[in-house]
Amino acid sequence: GAVVSQHPSWVICKSGTSVKIECRSLDFQATTMFWYRQFPKQSLMLMATSNEGSKATYEQGVEKDKFLINHASLTLSTLTVTSAHPEDSSFYICSARTSGALYEQYFGPGTRLTVT
Amino acid sequence: DQQVKQNSPSLSVQEGRISILNCDYTNSMFDYFLWYKKYPAEGPTFLISISSIKDKNEDGRFTVFLNKSAKHLSLHIVPSQPGDSAVYFCAASAFSSGNTPLVFGKGTRLSVIA
Repeated sequence: GAVVSQHPSWVICKSGTSVKIECRSLDFQATTMFWYRQFPKQSLMLMATSNEGSKATYEQGVEKDKFLINHASLTLSTLTVTSAHPEDSSFYICSARTSGALYEQYFGPGTRLTVT
Repeated sequence: DQQVKQNSPSLSVQEGRISILNCDYTNSMFDYFLWYKKYPAEGPTFLISISSIKDKNEDGRFTVFLNKSAKHLSLHIVPSQPGDSAVYFCAASAFSSGNTPLVFGKGTRLSVIA
């Protein structure tokens, strides 16, 4: 149980275009989903927290107009990188939190974005 | 200010021996701690967790120890296997404070040598 999927697993796009990444909790309802970004040999950097049906909370330094997050249902959150630039190339990982006693986060497999 | 610190970026251990990965934290509000394992180009996989009401939690080859007074936790893997080679992230949360996100350390790359 507690499987989180991401789609696509990798994407290459041209500078100036937008890319949408989907995150789904497959076998549980996720009241909260998180989006992380990881640069090579660096830690996971939290970008934003999204609760189902409400606006995402962005971490300091993360442009909310550039990284659009939608959490429309208890099993789906999307991250749209708008007007992508080469410096947005990174590994994006989502995670979903289950409600209940343990509050553990389960991570998706990640999406490798390359902007050319 | 890094609230969760993993001071050893890498660790090499012989197969069959014990691997000890360390983690320190500064925020006294943290009351729930987790260890994740991550392979390149994959998402982190949950390994084991511990609540602040405990000082030890064991699951198979993995044991996590928590020393609240020192704000220190460690993950012990015994015996270490080549398949354990990965990056291990320590994470902490102020669970009782509400829906707070996990705070991650920078990770320790474990290499288990056959």
